[in-house]
Amino acid sequence: QVQLEQSGAEVRKPGASVKVSCKTSGYTFTDYHVHWVRQAPGQGLDYMGCINAKDGATHYAQNFRGRVTITSDASVSTAYMELTSLRSDDTALYYCVRETWFYGDWGQGTLVTVSS
Amino acid sequence: DIMMTQSPDSLAVSLGARATIHCKSSQSVFHSSTTTHHLAWYQQKAGQPPKLLIYGASTRESGVPDRFSGSGSGTDFSLTISSLQAEDVSVYYCQQYYSLPRTFGQGTKVEIK
Repeated sequence: QVQLEQSGAEVRKPGASVKVSCKTSGYTFTDYHVHWVRQAPGQGLDYMGCINAKDGATHYAQNFRGRVTITSDASVSTAYMELTSLRSDDTALYYCVRETWFYGDWGQGTLVTVSS
Repeated sequence: DIMMTQSPDSLAVSLGARATIHCKSSQSVFHSSTTTHHLAWYQQKAGQPPKLLIYGASTRESGVPDRFSGSGSGTDFSLTISSLQAEDVSVYYCQQYYSLPRTFGQGTKVEIK
């Protein structure tokens, strides 16, 4: 079955960076895009960006452009999301998703806490 | 960007009663290549990632109870729970997958009255 296993919770200080991994299994990694979605505490779902796992092409949401980098490594079927210049309002759950047009398969989420 | 607007923000319904959530997109999400509306509904229970309920505006994902149904066309869509069960207490989101960036409605919290 399709699984997306994300890295563990992270705590960072303002101004730092964080890199979250999303190890996939149960499907051919390069056949699908991986998307990243953020959810701040008690808030809704925000698309951050995505990567075509076949050719590495990326798209980023305007709100995150310049601070987010999404990469992938097909040799280990893993996608990564790095967010820089962290602020307190970046405290959130970060989800990776396998995209099949819609979002059928989600990772368990990675909590990133930004606090001084 | 396509803006998605849900109503109401919250809904309290008696057990066994019908619950309906509305979602409006700022432009049509009908995709000519698939001849379907690229509109999905998700259910998110506390402490869990969202779960896909409906795609193509009205197609239930495998394993989703048939009390959940989606309808609509053009820019106006709805999710109906025909007979609310206790386990349906959740936040529900609509999403367009017509174009990037993918966008979600703000969510509708469904509770038991």
